[in-house]
Amino acid sequence: AQKITQTQPGMFVQEKEAVTLDCTYDTSDPSYGLFWYKQPSSGEMIFLIYQGSYDQQNATEGRYSLNFQKARKSANLVISASQLGDSAMYFCAMREGRGNQGGKLIFGQGTELSVKP
Amino acid sequence: EPEVTQTPSHQVTQMGQEVILRCVPISNHLYFYWYRQILGQKVEFLVSFYNNEISEKSEIFDDQFSVERPDGSNFTLKIRSTKLEDSAMYFCASMGQGWNEQFFGPGTRLTVL
Repeated sequence: AQKITQTQPGMFVQEKEAVTLDCTYDTSDPSYGLFWYKQPSSGEMIFLIYQGSYDQQNATEGRYSLNFQKARKSANLVISASQLGDSAMYFCAMREGRGNQGGKLIFGQGTELSVKP
Repeated sequence: EPEVTQTPSHQVTQMGQEVILRCVPISNHLYFYWYRQILGQKVEFLVSFYNNEISEKSEIFDDQFSVERPDGSNFTLKIRSTKLEDSAMYFCASMGQGWNEQFFGPGTRLTVL
């Protein structure tokens, strides 16, 4: 079964508008973390935002916010005021467990975002 | 700002040859990872490394792969006998004590001919 599901292979958004990229996850571990990464065409993986399973508030980092709905197991990324430079592939990822466990990330398939001028 | 670095940025090799991909993680990080991304696909976990030993590995990480942290700063991935299907982008990543950020290097694009 897929642990991380991103159902939108591609999305378009008008410059300066907000966009939501969907991510649902599946885990039975009560302790986990959710990450979003941006991968521009140059290929690097840029860390955007993190949400811990015990965090009471939704994470925010500048124009990025994470809409964390624990009961629905969703962790959608919201980008406000889109810019042309936001055009990229976006990956949602999950880390299960803590402590001396490995901390590996499990990635979704990604959503390609295109920002139109 | 501290960053993960990787060398080389691009490696071309013949099938059956050995390759070593190098990474310098962020200096105060304790957890180290290798991932790979076949062109157009999602990022896949290969191996995690903590306290000078492998803590977890995936099914992809078979006997052809090995990792080392030879000198306390570098973190290497060796593929002993490369196959065509090893062609991919290989990312090194590191994570600190807080477990709330995992930073990736720029990647090494491996092409096996």
